[in-house]
Amino acid sequence: GAVVSQHPSRVICKSGTSVKIECRSLDFQATTMFWYRQFPKQSLMLMATSNEGSKATYEQGVEKDKFLINHASLTLSTLTVTSAHPEDSSFYICSAREGREGFYEQYFGPGTRLTVT
Amino acid sequence: GQNIDQPTEMTATEGAIVQINCTYQTSGFNGLFWYQQHAGEAPTFLSYNVLDGLEEKGRFSSFLSRSKGYSYLLLKELQMKDSASYLCAGLDSNYQLIWGAGTKLIIKP
Repeated sequence: GAVVSQHPSRVICKSGTSVKIECRSLDFQATTMFWYRQFPKQSLMLMATSNEGSKATYEQGVEKDKFLINHASLTLSTLTVTSAHPEDSSFYICSAREGREGFYEQYFGPGTRLTVT
Repeated sequence: GQNIDQPTEMTATEGAIVQINCTYQTSGFNGLFWYQQHAGEAPTFLSYNVLDGLEEKGRFSSFLSRSKGYSYLLLKELQMKDSASYLCAGLDSNYQLIWGAGTKLIIKP
């Protein structure tokens, strides 16, 4: 149980275009979803936290107009990287957490490797 | 501020035991997680400690001392596949995970 899928796994896009990444919880309802970015040999960096049906909370330094997050249902969250630039190339990982009290584990998707040329 | 400290890199021999330490400072505390991350992959859950003491799960064990703000992950009978980064993360008062930078574990034959 507790499987999170992420699509696409890899994407290459041209500078200036937008890319949408989907994150789905397959066998549980995720009241909270998290989006992370990870550069090579660095740790996870939390970008934003989203709760179903409400606006995402962005971490300091993350541009909310550039990284659009939509958590439309209890099983789906999307991250859209708008007007992508080469410096946005990174490994983007989503995670999901159930809403049950006492259960705080985050289940991670397999990640999306974005390359902007 | 909030902070998680763990060694950057450790090396161990196949079949041996290794202990990865983690110290934490969080605003409030609701538990300590350990995750394993292989290169190019997403993290996978290893353990969650919220009470003091040792939790054993097969070859992996995790220890927590809340009074010392300290945890460790113990890996026994090391296998080559255990070569990975091990991430320590504290759950703060807002139930947000505060991540350490990860410890890269290198296993040598």
